Amino acid sequence: SQQGEEDPQALSIQEGENATMNCSYKTSINNLQWYRQNSGRGLVHLILIRSNEREKHSGRLRVTLDTSKKSSSLLITASRAADTASYFCATARYGNKLVFGAGTILRVKS
Amino acid sequence: EPEVTQTPSHQVTQMGQEVILRCVPISNHLYFYWYRQILGQKVEFLVSFYNNEISEKSEIFDDQFSVERPDGSNFTLKIRSTKLEDSAMYFCASSEDTGGIRVDIQYFGAGTRLSVL
Repeated sequence: SQQGEEDPQALSIQEGENATMNCSYKTSINNLQWYRQNSGRGLVHLILIRSNEREKHSGRLRVTLDTSKKSSSLLITASRAADTASYFCATARYGNKLVFGAGTILRVKS
Repeated sequence: EPEVTQTPSHQVTQMGQEVILRCVPISNHLYFYWYRQILGQKVEFLVSFYNNEISEKSEIFDDQFSVERPDGSNFTLKIRSTKLEDSAMYFCASSEDTGGIRVDIQYFGAGTRLSVL
């Protein structure tokens, strides 16, 4: 299975702190993406990193990818209460299918 | 900003009934997908659709499921005879094609919650 697995399962931090979430996967990939899901809502694309990239930034987001360890991390800097959501990594091997991990529930307390 | 829209937001049905979940993908997108998320579980891929045919499907997508693009804007998922275990949130997604190259980012709708009683 290509499935990504995130850790931690749940993370609770204070506003202004950084949040780091990790994702591991099992097979070779073409790209890895991170999505956010607010409670009961759809998935919002955050950032995509390709298999030949090691790090990518977008605003307060920083993603790293280590293909030798088959792992990725998502760092959210200076977190805000509005960042409270579930975060999922999803891998794409070839073709269209995204394989999602179980997700990390992030709670940012104000 | 363009978005994927799904209707209805919540569908309640009796076991054995047929349901059709509807999606309007982003207008210039050519790749369409259905995923589902059973409560408390991972988001799972069901099927992808391109050029009026299924391009990939998962083991979940058995003969009870079908997809259709009945016109230039809608993309539907039909479940022929619903089972209790079909209760889940169903997400539609679409992605762009630029010059014959598929863009990898998928844009998701807000989902339809299907409750099978």
